Amino acid sequence: EVQLVESGGVLVQPGGSLRLSCAVSGFTFSSYDMHWVRQAPGKGLEWVSYISTSGSIIYYADSVRGRFTISRDNAKNSLYLQLNSLSAEDTAIYFCARGQARSADYWGQGTLVTVSS
Amino acid sequence: SYELTQPPSVSVSPGQTASITCSGDKLGDRYAYWYQQKPGQSPVLVIYQDNKRPSGIPERISGSNSGNTATLTISGTQPMDEADYYCQTWDSSTVVFGGGTKLTVL
Repeated sequence: EVQLVESGGVLVQPGGSLRLSCAVSGFTFSSYDMHWVRQAPGKGLEWVSYISTSGSIIYYADSVRGRFTISRDNAKNSLYLQLNSLSAEDTAIYFCARGQARSADYWGQGTLVTVSS
Repeated sequence: SYELTQPPSVSVSPGQTASITCSGDKLGDRYAYWYQQKPGQSPVLVIYQDNKRPSGIPERISGSNSGNTATLTISGTQPMDEADYYCQTWDSSTVVFGGGTKLTVL
Protein backbone atom coordinates (compact mmCIF):
# COMPACT_ATOMS: atom_id res chain seq x y z
CA GLU A 1 0.00 0.00 0.00
CA VAL A 2 1.33 3.40 -0.99
CA GLN A 3 1.68 5.69 2.01
CA LEU A 4 2.97 9.23 2.41
CA VAL A 5 3.14 10.70 5.90
CA GLU A 6 4.01 14.33 6.43
CA SER A 7 5.33 15.75 9.69
CA GLY A 8 6.91 18.89 11.07
CA GLY A 9 4.03 21.31 10.90
CA VAL A 10 3.90 23.66 13.86
CA LEU A 11 3.00 27.16 14.99
CA VAL A 12 5.88 29.45 14.08
CA GLN A 13 6.42 33.18 14.37
CA PRO A 14 6.69 35.45 11.31
CA GLY A 15 10.22 35.37 9.99
CA GLY A 16 10.80 31.94 11.42
CA SER A 17 11.87 28.67 9.85
CA LEU A 18 10.98 25.01 9.96
CA ARG A 19 11.51 21.80 8.03
CA LEU A 20 8.75 19.52 6.86
CA SER A 21 9.32 15.83 6.23
CA CYS A 22 7.43 13.28 4.18
CA ALA A 23 8.10 9.61 4.86
CA VAL A 24 6.98 7.25 2.13
CA SER A 25 6.42 3.52 1.90
CA GLY A 26 4.79 1.01 -0.38
CA PHE A 27 6.66 2.04 -3.55
CA THR A 28 10.20 2.54 -4.84
CA PHE A 29 10.74 6.12 -3.76
CA SER A 30 13.84 6.65 -5.88
CA SER A 31 11.83 5.97 -9.05
CA TYR A 32 9.35 8.79 -8.62
CA ASP A 33 9.37 12.55 -8.86
CA MET A 34 7.80 14.30 -5.90
CA HIS A 35 5.84 17.47 -5.18
CA TRP A 36 4.86 19.70 -2.29
CA VAL A 37 1.43 21.33 -2.58
CA ARG A 38 -0.21 23.57 -0.01
CA GLN A 39 -3.73 24.65 0.82
CA ALA A 40 -4.48 27.73 2.89
CA PRO A 41 -7.51 27.44 5.21
CA GLY A 42 -10.67 27.45 3.13
CA LYS A 43 -8.75 28.04 -0.09
CA GLY A 44 -7.72 26.05 -3.15
CA LEU A 45 -4.64 24.01 -3.95
CA GLU A 46 -1.35 25.82 -4.60
CA TRP A 47 1.63 23.97 -6.01
CA VAL A 48 4.84 24.74 -4.10
CA SER A 49 7.75 22.71 -5.44
CA TYR A 50 8.88 19.73 -7.52
CA ILE A 51 11.94 17.49 -7.35
CA SER A 52 13.04 14.84 -9.83
CA THR A 53 13.97 11.29 -8.90
CA SER A 54 17.65 12.05 -8.34
CA GLY A 55 17.15 15.57 -7.07
CA SER A 56 18.94 17.03 -10.05
CA ILE A 57 15.90 18.95 -11.31
CA ILE A 58 14.04 21.25 -8.93
CA TYR A 59 11.27 23.76 -9.56
CA TYR A 60 9.57 26.27 -7.28
CA ALA A 61 6.50 28.45 -7.38
CA ASP A 62 7.31 32.15 -7.62
CA SER A 63 5.69 32.70 -4.23
CA VAL A 64 8.29 30.57 -2.42
CA ARG A 65 11.39 30.72 -4.61
CA GLY A 66 14.38 31.89 -2.58
CA ARG A 67 12.69 31.08 0.74
CA PHE A 68 11.83 27.37 0.48
CA THR A 69 14.16 24.48 -0.37
CA ILE A 70 13.03 21.04 -1.47
CA SER A 71 15.26 18.00 -1.04
CA ARG A 72 15.08 14.24 -0.81
CA ASP A 73 16.99 11.33 0.66
CA ASN A 74 16.35 8.24 -1.42
CA ALA A 75 18.18 6.03 1.08
CA LYS A 76 15.73 7.11 3.77
CA ASN A 77 12.64 7.16 1.54
CA SER A 78 12.04 10.73 2.61
CA LEU A 79 11.17 14.08 1.07
CA TYR A 80 11.82 17.39 2.77
CA LEU A 81 10.82 21.04 2.54
CA GLN A 82 12.82 23.71 4.34
CA LEU A 83 10.73 26.83 4.93
CA ASN A 84 12.48 30.11 5.75
CA SER A 85 11.38 33.73 6.17
CA LEU A 86 7.83 32.65 6.86
CA SER A 87 4.89 35.03 6.75
CA ALA A 88 1.19 34.73 7.49
CA GLU A 89 0.58 34.02 3.81
CA ASP A 90 2.45 30.73 4.21
CA THR A 91 -0.12 29.42 6.69
CA ALA A 92 -1.52 26.28 5.09
CA ILE A 93 -1.76 22.53 5.11
CA TYR A 94 1.29 21.21 3.27
CA PHE A 95 0.84 18.00 1.30
CA CYS A 96 3.54 15.86 -0.23
CA ALA A 97 2.49 14.02 -3.37
CA ARG A 98 3.98 11.42 -5.68
CA GLY A 99 4.55 12.53 -9.24
CA GLN A 100 3.29 10.30 -12.03
CA ALA A 101 2.76 11.18 -15.71
CA ARG A 102 2.97 14.89 -14.87
CA SER A 103 0.26 14.53 -12.24
CA ALA A 104 0.21 13.79 -8.52
CA ASP A 105 -1.25 10.34 -8.10
CA TYR A 106 -0.88 9.77 -4.36
CA TRP A 107 -1.07 12.36 -1.59
CA GLY A 108 -0.28 12.39 2.08
CA GLN A 109 -2.72 13.57 4.72
CA GLY A 110 -0.93 16.89 5.08
CA THR A 111 0.73 18.78 7.92
CA LEU A 112 -0.46 22.16 9.16
CA VAL A 113 1.91 25.11 9.24
CA THR A 114 0.61 28.15 11.11
CA VAL A 115 2.55 31.40 10.97
CA SER A 116 1.44 33.78 13.68
CA SER A 117 2.81 35.88 16.49
CA SER B 1 1.95 33.46 -15.77
CA TYR B 2 -0.43 30.80 -16.98
CA GLU B 3 -3.89 30.68 -15.42
CA LEU B 4 -6.65 28.09 -15.26
CA THR B 5 -10.19 29.32 -14.65
CA GLN B 6 -12.96 27.19 -13.13
CA PRO B 7 -16.50 28.13 -12.12
CA PRO B 8 -16.68 28.44 -8.32
CA SER B 9 -19.70 26.17 -8.07
CA VAL B 10 -21.80 23.71 -10.05
CA SER B 11 -25.05 22.13 -8.90
CA VAL B 12 -26.58 18.92 -10.18
CA SER B 13 -29.50 16.69 -9.28
CA PRO B 14 -28.80 13.07 -8.34
CA GLY B 15 -28.66 10.84 -11.38
CA GLN B 16 -28.02 13.73 -13.77
CA THR B 17 -24.81 14.67 -15.56
CA ALA B 18 -22.45 17.25 -14.11
CA SER B 19 -19.92 19.10 -16.23
CA ILE B 20 -17.10 21.13 -14.73
CA THR B 21 -15.04 23.30 -17.05
CA CYS B 22 -11.46 24.50 -16.83
CA SER B 23 -10.31 27.25 -19.17
CA GLY B 24 -6.81 28.31 -20.13
CA ASP B 25 -5.04 29.70 -23.18
CA LYS B 26 -4.64 26.85 -25.68
CA LEU B 27 -5.18 24.36 -22.86
CA GLY B 28 -5.94 21.72 -25.44
CA ASP B 29 -2.29 21.80 -26.51
CA ARG B 30 -1.21 20.46 -23.13
CA TYR B 31 -2.47 17.72 -20.84
CA ALA B 32 -5.13 18.41 -18.22
CA TYR B 33 -5.52 16.58 -14.93
CA TRP B 34 -8.38 16.54 -12.42
CA TYR B 35 -8.52 16.01 -8.66
CA GLN B 36 -11.42 15.41 -6.30
CA GLN B 37 -11.19 16.65 -2.72
CA LYS B 38 -13.83 15.95 -0.10
CA PRO B 39 -13.99 17.99 3.13
CA GLY B 40 -11.17 17.18 5.50
CA GLN B 41 -9.51 14.79 3.06
CA SER B 42 -6.54 14.86 0.74
CA PRO B 43 -7.01 15.32 -3.01
CA VAL B 44 -7.54 12.24 -5.18
CA LEU B 45 -6.48 12.07 -8.82
CA VAL B 46 -9.54 11.19 -10.91
CA ILE B 47 -8.38 12.01 -14.47
CA TYR B 48 -4.89 12.18 -15.94
CA GLN B 49 -3.67 13.06 -19.44
CA ASP B 50 -7.02 14.59 -20.38
CA ASN B 51 -9.18 11.48 -20.30
CA LYS B 52 -7.51 8.57 -18.54
CA ARG B 53 -8.86 7.17 -15.28
CA PRO B 54 -6.60 5.83 -12.53
CA SER B 55 -7.38 2.43 -11.15
CA GLY B 56 -10.45 2.51 -8.93
CA ILE B 57 -12.06 5.59 -10.48
CA PRO B 58 -15.54 4.73 -11.80
CA GLU B 59 -16.29 4.86 -15.52
CA ARG B 60 -18.97 7.49 -14.98
CA ILE B 61 -16.16 10.00 -14.43
CA SER B 62 -14.63 11.14 -17.72
CA GLY B 63 -12.57 13.97 -19.12
CA SER B 64 -11.95 15.81 -22.37
CA ASN B 65 -9.69 18.63 -23.48
CA SER B 66 -9.86 20.70 -26.65
CA GLY B 67 -9.24 24.26 -27.68
CA ASN B 68 -9.15 26.40 -24.57
CA THR B 69 -11.28 24.20 -22.34
CA ALA B 70 -10.93 20.96 -20.44
CA THR B 71 -14.10 19.38 -19.11
CA LEU B 72 -14.71 16.90 -16.31
CA THR B 73 -17.97 15.04 -16.76
CA ILE B 74 -19.69 12.97 -14.10
CA SER B 75 -22.56 10.87 -15.40
CA GLY B 76 -25.28 9.54 -13.11
CA THR B 77 -24.07 11.84 -10.34
CA GLN B 78 -24.33 10.40 -6.84
CA PRO B 79 -24.32 12.14 -3.46
CA MET B 80 -20.84 10.72 -2.88
CA ASP B 81 -19.58 12.86 -5.80
CA GLU B 82 -20.20 16.04 -3.84
CA ALA B 83 -16.73 17.54 -3.46
CA ASP B 84 -14.33 20.20 -4.66
CA TYR B 85 -12.74 19.51 -8.04
CA TYR B 86 -9.47 21.01 -9.26
CA CYS B 87 -7.96 20.99 -12.72
CA GLN B 88 -4.19 21.06 -13.20
CA THR B 89 -1.66 21.42 -15.98
CA TRP B 90 1.99 22.29 -16.48
CA ASP B 91 3.34 25.56 -17.83
CA SER B 92 7.01 25.10 -18.65
CA SER B 93 8.55 24.30 -15.24
CA THR B 94 5.51 25.24 -13.17
CA VAL B 95 2.52 23.22 -12.04
CA VAL B 96 -0.71 25.21 -12.29
CA PHE B 97 -3.97 24.47 -10.49
CA GLY B 98 -7.35 25.94 -11.24
CA GLY B 99 -9.17 27.71 -8.44
CA GLY B 100 -11.48 24.77 -7.82
CA THR B 101 -15.17 24.07 -8.32
CA LYS B 102 -17.52 23.01 -5.57
CA LEU B 103 -19.90 20.38 -6.90
CA THR B 104 -23.18 20.26 -5.01
CA VAL B 105 -25.53 17.33 -5.51
CA LEU B 106 -28.97 18.65 -4.64
